[in-house]
Amino acid sequence: DGGITQSPKYLFRKEGQNVTLSCEQNLNHDAMYWYRQDPGQGLRLIYYSQIVNDFQKGDIAEGYSVSREKKESFPLTVTSAQKNPTAFYLCASSINLGQAYEQFFGPGTRLTVL
Amino acid sequence: AQSVTQLGSHVSVSEGALVLLRCNYSSSVPPYLFWYVQYPNQGLQLLLKYTSAATLVKGINGFEAEFKKSETSFHLTKPSAHMSDAAEYFCAVSDQGGAQKLVFGQGTRLTINP
Repeated sequence: DGGITQSPKYLFRKEGQNVTLSCEQNLNHDAMYWYRQDPGQGLRLIYYSQIVNDFQKGDIAEGYSVSREKKESFPLTVTSAQKNPTAFYLCASSINLGQAYEQFFGPGTRLTVL
Repeated sequence: AQSVTQLGSHVSVSEGALVLLRCNYSSSVPPYLFWYVQYPNQGLQLLLKYTSAATLVKGINGFEAEFKKSETSFHLTKPSAHMSDAAEYFCAVSDQGGAQKLVFGQGTRLTINP
């Protein structure tokens, strides 16, 4: 079955540590996205990528970094510079960038800072 | 910049009753509009999307939404609620920038009373 996988489902981090969230898709989609979800705030875009080796900052990129070395993979690193990283993180993909293309979402990773 | 407002962070209906979830958008050009559903601790799933074809859009699970340009609205309805409809619902509009950046509303949590 085609889809998007995210791992781990739950992640705990101590303050000052960097952590990397995995996102893999086998839909052969060109575009991939990372969102952060906080209660009552909807989803906010962190980074997006249209093509391998290229990515753009979203609305809340500070304290995060990404890479896109392979079409199917778009890992997100939450750095120690992110002041409030506890949140639910969602990865998504779409066929390409374009206003009408549906985004498909992974199951999410819940990050908790201890 | 485009924006989305979902009226009511929580909506509660009885099983079998009409479901109405409200969404208003702001846009200077015709938008693309989406409704997504999220079950607890899961990713988002597309319910339906409006892409400037028919103004009444039918989606999965018996949901539909009507695009009303004069009211800048895209309300989601279902004639008869089921217990399985309990979830959080997000309205989203596509950004008019070069990339397909979805702008999400705050979400509406739907509770179904037996």
